[in-house]
Amino acid sequence: DTGVSQDPRHKITKRGQNVTFRCDPISEHNRLYWYRQTLGQGPEFLTYFQNEAQLEKSRLLSDRFSAERPKGSFSTLEIQRTEQGDSAMYLCASSLGWGDVYEQYFGPGTRLTVT
Amino acid sequence: QQQVKQSPQSLIVQKGGIPIINCAYENTAFDYFPWYQQFPGKGPALLIAIRPDVSEKKEGRFTISFNKSAKQFSLHIMDSQPGDSATYFCAATYQGGKLIFGQGTELSVKP
Repeated sequence: DTGVSQDPRHKITKRGQNVTFRCDPISEHNRLYWYRQTLGQGPEFLTYFQNEAQLEKSRLLSDRFSAERPKGSFSTLEIQRTEQGDSAMYLCASSLGWGDVYEQYFGPGTRLTVT
Repeated sequence: QQQVKQSPQSLIVQKGGIPIINCAYENTAFDYFPWYQQFPGKGPALLIAIRPDVSEKKEGRFTISFNKSAKQFSLHIMDSQPGDSATYFCAATYQGGKLIFGQGTELSVKP
């Protein structure tokens, strides 16, 4: 039973470039969440999916950010025209998504550095 | 109403001590309160969680105490070890949606 995986683990990009991150949830988990964490802070919610439906988006998710989960399995998070303020750890989590089972399991994260 | 406030920001204890981390919330709709442990450069790992109809939950050396009327909950780590040195986050959620995290507590357990 593998956990949540994220790719890449590290990404260095120049300001203005586009980047895309991938998250593979635990198999059979219907919900997939994206969070962003900056140094010394707790993770902040960005968006989440129930299967392929995007159920909620944070105000943090500006129109430069887009997330997809086309077949209800893996998800991608794209940031267009990156800014230095986008530098952070991007975390993905998944949960079973039915009944009253609320446990969210996190992946190792993708560390983004915008130069 | 969506905030979860966590204290202290940092904590230093001796090996064998019992660090206590506190969290407070406002939104009474929250129905699930997990604690996460995070090591540098890693993702948060689920440690233990509680529902508001329970006042205490123990798993190994970790205990959550929950006070519904005060809207507060806390994490106790019994017989703390140097390997417990990490950052701890409390969180809250409603019906399995987004987690609202506290600001984190950096714990250091001295040998």
